[in-house]
Amino acid sequence: SQQGEEDPQALSIQEGENATMNCSYKTSINNLQWYRQNSGRGLVHLILIRSNEREKHSGRLRVTLDTSKKSSSLLITASRAADTASYFCATGATGGGNKLTFGTGTQLKVEL
Amino acid sequence: DAGVIQSPRHEVTEMGQEVTLRCKPISGHNSLFWYRQTMMRGLELLIYFNNNVPIDDSGMPEDRFSAKMPNASFSTLKIQPSEPRDSAVYFCASSLNGMGPEAFFGQGTRLTVV
Repeated sequence: SQQGEEDPQALSIQEGENATMNCSYKTSINNLQWYRQNSGRGLVHLILIRSNEREKHSGRLRVTLDTSKKSSSLLITASRAADTASYFCATGATGGGNKLTFGTGTQLKVEL
Repeated sequence: DAGVIQSPRHEVTEMGQEVTLRCKPISGHNSLFWYRQTMMRGLELLIYFNNNVPIDDSGMPEDRFSAKMPNASFSTLKIQPSEPRDSAVYFCASSLNGMGPEAFFGQGTRLTVV
């Protein structure tokens, strides 16, 4: 079963704008990860945030985690056409080993 | 490292036939996952191995599906008999337990059952 629900399902922006995607989950986690999937390809890991962290940065990516609200957001700053892809959050459950449960994904389109 | 390698990349088969999907995880990784992706259901975890042992197979849809990991460098997912509703992209992923839970995905096998 899917743990995460992402919002919005689809997002279309202009190059240079920021893109924000949100993820909500249901159970206790020890980490939350974001992945990217280009059409017809496998998923690629972007960034991980642990349950005791509130914010993390990696290049143009910024992730926040609010465990009290069971939600996370992914911000991509200064978007580029090459950022066009689907973005998924994935949660690692407490005591679940390395098992990941994926959300429904956000389809991002960055237009020139 | 070549990453996670899946074969075949595409498979078209007739209903009722046996289908075997193959996966070679990243060398040294000790966790292996099989996922199925469809438009309707998104990404579903089918089964998860740790050190070649199946840990959680609660996502395997029914007895027609079986998965094995005979050694640390090879896993198979078998569907017998296949049905049209099994059509999906099947992904294999691996990770290194204890060093970080990031999963590395293969390119997937697109299965079409007609």
